[in-house]
Amino acid sequence: SQQGEEDPQALSIQEGENATMNCSYKTSINNLQWYRQNSGRGLVHLILIRSNEREKHSGRLRVTLDTSKKSSSLLITASRAADTASYFCATRASGYSTLTFGKGTMLLVSP
Amino acid sequence: DAGVIQSPRHEVTEMGQEVTLRCKPISGHNSLFWYRQTMMRGLELLIYFNNNVPIDDSGMPEDRFSAKMPNASFSTLKIQPSEPRDSAVYFCASSFMSRVMTGTGDEQYFGPGTRLTVT
Repeated sequence: SQQGEEDPQALSIQEGENATMNCSYKTSINNLQWYRQNSGRGLVHLILIRSNEREKHSGRLRVTLDTSKKSSSLLITASRAADTASYFCATRASGYSTLTFGKGTMLLVSP
Repeated sequence: DAGVIQSPRHEVTEMGQEVTLRCKPISGHNSLFWYRQTMMRGLELLIYFNNNVPIDDSGMPEDRFSAKMPNASFSTLKIQPSEPRDSAVYFCASSFMSRVMTGTGDEQYFGPGTRLTVT
C-alpha cells in the first residue's frame, strides 16, 4: 500500500508548546503534502514538499522529508488553541496522478 | 472564488433510496476528485476526473456507485440503491494539474463535504 501512516494518532499539548507529527510511507514519491481538517469541515492544504527537497517552512510550520527513510515530519511551533484539528499527510507516488492520505493525527491544544 | 461547493451538506435517507451528491469545482481547475471519509477506513479516493474524463474509478466500491462530470463546472456522485454502510462524509476536491507533473500546483482544494446517513 502507498498509504502514509501518521504518528502519533493523537497528541495533546499546551498552548505555546511545539507539536511534532510524523508520517511514514512505502513507495517512492513525487511529493508529500500536509493537510489540516477542523471538525466537521473539509481538508485544507498546508504545505507541499517535493521529493528533491529536504525542508520547507511556512509561517509556524516546518516540514522535513527524508526519502531514504520514507518519512516526513510536520512541526508546528508556538501552538495555539486554534491549531486544534486533525492533520493528514498525503503522498503523490511517482507515476501516479492521485494522492493517498493517511489516517491522520488528532492534535488538541489546550489554552 | 467561493471555493469548492458541495450540496447538500447533510442527507438522511432510507435504505434503498437513490442519493445524488453534487459538486462545483473551483473555476479553472482541471481535475476533480470524490472521496469518502469514515472513522474506520479514513479518507478513500472513489474516482478522479481530468478534463471531465474519468481517469481512475478503481476506488468506487461497487456498481451501486456512479459518477459523472458533464462539464468543467459540475459533477455528481450517485448511489443507487443506498445501504446503511454507505453512511459517511463524502468530499469533493479540485486541483489544477499541469501536463508535466512537476509536483507544483498539485494541492487539492476540498469542499465542505456531504454527511450522508442511510437508515
